[in-house]
Amino acid sequence: KNQVEQSPQSLIILEGKNCTLQCNYTVSPFSNLRWYKQDTGRGPVSLTIMTFSENTKSNGRYTATLDADTKQSSLHITASQLSDSASYICVVSYQGGKLIFGQGTELSVKP
Amino acid sequence: DTGVSQNPRHKITKRGQNVTFRCDPISEHNRLYWYRQTLGQGPEFLTYFQNEAQLEKSRLLSDRFSAERPKGSFSTLEIQRTEQGDSAMYLCASREAGKNTEAFFGQGTRLTVV
Repeated sequence: KNQVEQSPQSLIILEGKNCTLQCNYTVSPFSNLRWYKQDTGRGPVSLTIMTFSENTKSNGRYTATLDADTKQSSLHITASQLSDSASYICVVSYQGGKLIFGQGTELSVKP
Repeated sequence: DTGVSQNPRHKITKRGQNVTFRCDPISEHNRLYWYRQTLGQGPEFLTYFQNEAQLEKSRLLSDRFSAERPKGSFSTLEIQRTEQGDSAMYLCASREAGKNTEAFFGQGTRLTVV
């Protein structure tokens, strides 16, 4: 079954600290992996897209890694800001074109 | 605004009524997706279109749900005989064909069935 699992389910960190979110997937055949940020009540916004051959990709303070052999990805957030408080969703696309979403990690950054 | 547009943003309806949502994708995007999201969960796939062709439907899409994209541009999602369990955020996304193109989401339509 094609699934995307994320951990932790929720996370609270202090402003300025770093954090890492995890994503494991069983989607096959794999096309690419995406990380999205979703603010409450809004649609998801893309942070990164990585293909099978890419190990890491950065977007400002966000750095995503991908290990296609172990089917794991992580999203590292550096020097967190209050505005980083949101749900972070790992999404895997397979070659049929469908996007499979994880359940998200709810990040709360406290002052 | 050249992003994905969804209307209405909010809809409150009585159980048993029919509702229809509209999604206007980014104009050059030929793929259009519908997702449903309940509180605290990630979006669940409902269906997607390539141009006007509906290529896949989830088992979540019961007989009460129907989606169309008649001219390969905007899409509508209709729910007939709404139930309280249909209360959710309905998200639409679009992207260009191709393996690694970015998918852009609309702001969603929040449905509340009372």
